[in-house]
Amino acid sequence: DIEMTQSPSTLSASVGDRVTITCRASQSISSWLAWYQQKPGKAPKLLIYKASSLEGGVPSRFSGSASGTEFTLTISSLQPDDFATYYCQPYNSYSKTFGQGTKVEIK
Amino acid sequence: QVQLVQSGAEVKKPGASVKVSCKASGYTFTSYGISWVRQAPGQGLEWMGWISAYNGNTNYAQKFQGRVTMTTDTSTSTAYMELRSLRSDDTAVYYCARDYDILTPYYMDVWGKGTTVTVSS
Repeated sequence: DIEMTQSPSTLSASVGDRVTITCRASQSISSWLAWYQQKPGKAPKLLIYKASSLEGGVPSRFSGSASGTEFTLTISSLQPDDFATYYCQPYNSYSKTFGQGTKVEIK
Repeated sequence: QVQLVQSGAEVKKPGASVKVSCKASGYTFTSYGISWVRQAPGQGLEWMGWISAYNGNTNYAQKFQGRVTMTTDTSTSTAYMELRSLRSDDTAVYYCARDYDILTPYYMDVWGKGTTVTVSS
């Protein structure tokens, strides 16, 4: 099974900050990675698919990139609505284990 | 609009089974798959498995093999997830999500609101 190592587990930031979250895959998954945002008591929401493709309706301050087995979610200027938990997930195989999650908190 | 409406909360005793439904609307049900994901209290997301609404093929996470069954009823555009031999650590919110592919598990672009399943004696 592919394992995803997501970091950091918690991130404290202020409105306007540039925020970066990383996921590292245990083996090559090409660009088959999605990012989700989840707020307390709500269902996850798809942000990014195929490592860097922005889902429709998602603000352009969110972006994704890939370099080998390392994937990055960047929020260019953190907004109040962005304080949430973020998960990565590979989808190139029948193993779809989520990363451990990164909680973005208000500093 | 595209939406997935899940059945209501359940309380079950250890050893029992639970069957959660997920009714799709706003899109062609058989053109996508459905994945099931659960989240225990205070924990992360856990993918349980996938079913193709096109041909009924399934793929279950190894952890749930033998204990979970996913089915669809194309006449009502409804997906079902049955989990048997419930334990206290099955207490979680169970989500269905539209899976973007019909042949293999892919990413999930539309989610239901979740069904809380509580397992307690």
